[in-house]
Amino acid sequence: DIVMTQTPLSLSVTPGQPASISCKSSQSLLHSDGKTYLYWYLQKPGQSPQLLIYEVSSRFSGVPDRFSGSGSGTDFTLKISRVEAEDVGVYYCMQGIHSITFGQGTRLEIK
Amino acid sequence: QVQLVQSGAEVKKPGASVKVSCKASGYTFTSYDINWVRQATGQGLEWMGWMNPNSGNTGYAQKFQGRVTVTRNTSISTAYMELSSLRSEDTAVYYCARTGSCSGCIDYWGQGTLVSVSS
Repeated sequence: DIVMTQTPLSLSVTPGQPASISCKSSQSLLHSDGKTYLYWYLQKPGQSPQLLIYEVSSRFSGVPDRFSGSGSGTDFTLKISRVEAEDVGVYYCMQGIHSITFGQGTRLEIK
Repeated sequence: QVQLVQSGAEVKKPGASVKVSCKASGYTFTSYDINWVRQATGQGLEWMGWMNPNSGNTGYAQKFQGRVTVTRNTSISTAYMELSSLRSEDTAVYYCARTGSCSGCIDYWGQGTLVSVSS
């Protein structure tokens, strides 16, 4: 199985400040079709996960533009340009190139 | 709007089986794969398997091979996940979730079904 490793596991951010989460995969997520099958999800407290980013850097419908994704191969990053109170929750990266596996999650709290 | 509505919470004894349903609405059920993902309390997300509702083809994570079965009833746009030989470690919230059009993304999730396994 492809192992997804996120860092940090938790972060505390002042509203209006940026935040960044790293995700590393044990194998390249670049497919021969040219696509990279890396996604980001946010699970708000008491809710189901929601899709933020697909294919490394494409924002899903309705996702604010303060969320951005970048990276390639095995190294990926989710950035929040200005954290808001509603961004609290656990962020997961997910790979879909070989079966599906998730990172262990990064808990974001507001200072 | 796309909705996945799951059946209610279950309490089972070790060794029993559980079957969770997931009713889809707001889209053509047979056009999108359905996945099953579970989450133990306070833990991360664990993918269990998928199904193509049109063909009935399925694929399962190796960890669950032989214990999980995903089926569907296309006439009522409902997918099912059955997990057998339950043990305490299977206590978790089970989610159904749709594979969307965005390059294999999982775009919509059900509300989750809590399955508790206890003697």
